[in-house]
Amino acid sequence: GENVEQHPSTLSVQEGDSAVIKCTYSDSASNYFPWYKQELGKGPQLIIDIRSNVGEKKDQRIAVTLNKTAKHFSLHITETQPEDSAVYFCAAGPPGRRALTFGSGTRLQVQP
Amino acid sequence: NAGVTQTPKFQVLKTGQSMTLQCAQDMNHNSMYWYRQDPGMGLRLIYYSASEGTTDKGEVPNGYNVSRLNKREFSLRLESAAPSQTSVYFCASTPKETQYFGPGTRLLVL
Repeated sequence: GENVEQHPSTLSVQEGDSAVIKCTYSDSASNYFPWYKQELGKGPQLIIDIRSNVGEKKDQRIAVTLNKTAKHFSLHITETQPEDSAVYFCAAGPPGRRALTFGSGTRLQVQP
Repeated sequence: NAGVTQTPKFQVLKTGQSMTLQCAQDMNHNSMYWYRQDPGMGLRLIYYSASEGTTDKGEVPNGYNVSRLNKREFSLRLESAAPSQTSVYFCASTPKETQYFGPGTRLLVL
């Protein structure tokens, strides 16, 4: 089955700096790679996703890059703000509607 | 449009007790999922239902059963709770790929 590894487990940055979270996956059949943000006491919420036919996708301060050959993808957050503080999860999914495999999460703290 | 709702929000059980976690979605999604979240381990899939009338095991199904009651509802049952089942349980649904999560149920088994 799919295995997703996520690094780092914790990340602390100063407000205004950039943050990068990296994930690797094992199943070359996976073609859908979402990123979720989870605030304290809430369920995860999708913030951005990318499919295997695209190398990069950007949405305002958030971008995701995908390297299919190396089987890794990354989340980039620029100009971080205190409200970006949360736990971020990457995931990988095979074609179709079967479930996602999640990474172990990264706790991001943005220091004002 | 409430999205994905879960009940209860919090539950304390004694070892050996049973309970059912309820999940409902009003987005007309075909697929629904149950995950558990433990510290440092991300979200692990317990069971999923690709469509009404079908269920499949995920990564950690032991000790759980599920019922896809209709298109809206997907319940998770613990027949004999164990302390190892202390966790936060999330239900999710999807129309195709993007999964929408409920707020979670915190379960403590003593």
